[in-house]
Amino acid sequence: AQSVTQLDSQVPVFEEAPVELRCNYSSSVSVYLFWYVQYPNQGLQLLLKYLSGSTLVKGINGFEAEFNKSQTSFHLRKPSVHISDTAEYFCAVSDRPGGYQKVTFGIGTKLQVIP
Amino acid sequence: DGGITQSPKYLFRKEGQNVTLSCEQNLNHDAMYWYRQDPGQGLRLIYYSQIVNDFQKGDIAEGYSVSREKKESFPLTVTSAQKNPTAFYLCASSRGTLPDTQYFGPGTRLTVL
Repeated sequence: AQSVTQLDSQVPVFEEAPVELRCNYSSSVSVYLFWYVQYPNQGLQLLLKYLSGSTLVKGINGFEAEFNKSQTSFHLRKPSVHISDTAEYFCAVSDRPGGYQKVTFGIGTKLQVIP
Repeated sequence: DGGITQSPKYLFRKEGQNVTLSCEQNLNHDAMYWYRQDPGQGLRLIYYSQIVNDFQKGDIAEGYSVSREKKESFPLTVTSAQKNPTAFYLCASSRGTLPDTQYFGPGTRLTVL
C-alpha cells in the first residue's frame, strides 16, 4: 500500500528566505509524485509533478522538487519565498492498483511567510 | 474556460437532513472524485467514478452516496447516516489514465447545525 508522510505540519519562514517542505513516500510499484497548493477556502492547484526522467522537476511560482528514489523522498523547495506563498502544501503519490488510479495525499504542510 | 464548479460554496443543514453537493466539469474528463478534508487529516477519498454509470467506494464512503448519470456531473449526497458531516468537500476530475493529474474544484464547506 502506498503512503505519504509530510514531516512538518507547519513551517514559518521569513520573506525572501529559502524554504524546503519535506515529503517521504512508500509504494510497492513505480510511482508518480505530485505537489499541490491550497489557498484558504479554495481547491487544490497543481504545483508540479514527477512522472519519469529528470529527477529535478520545476513547477509554477518558482517552486521545484527533487525525486530521490533511494531515500523515497520528494522534497519541495523555493529559493526565495514571497508573502503570497502563504498556503497549505500537499504532497501526493499515485499508482494504479487494479486499474484504478489511486492518489494518496499527505496531511499537508502549512507554509507561513513572515514579513 | 474549462474547469470544475462546485455549488454551493457554503452550505448549512440541520442534523438529520440529507444534502446534495453539486460538482460539474467541462474538461471532458472520464474520472471524477470526491474528497473530504478535515484539519490535520489531509484529503480522504469518499467515492470515485472512472466512467459514466459506474462508481466505487473510497476509503470513507459510509454515510455518503453518489451518482454518475452524465460525464460532466458527479453529485454527492451526504445522508443523515454520516455521523460527523461538517467538513470541507472537494471534487476533482482527471482523464483517468496514468500518468494523470487531478484537477480540483473550489470546494463546498458543509456545516451541520
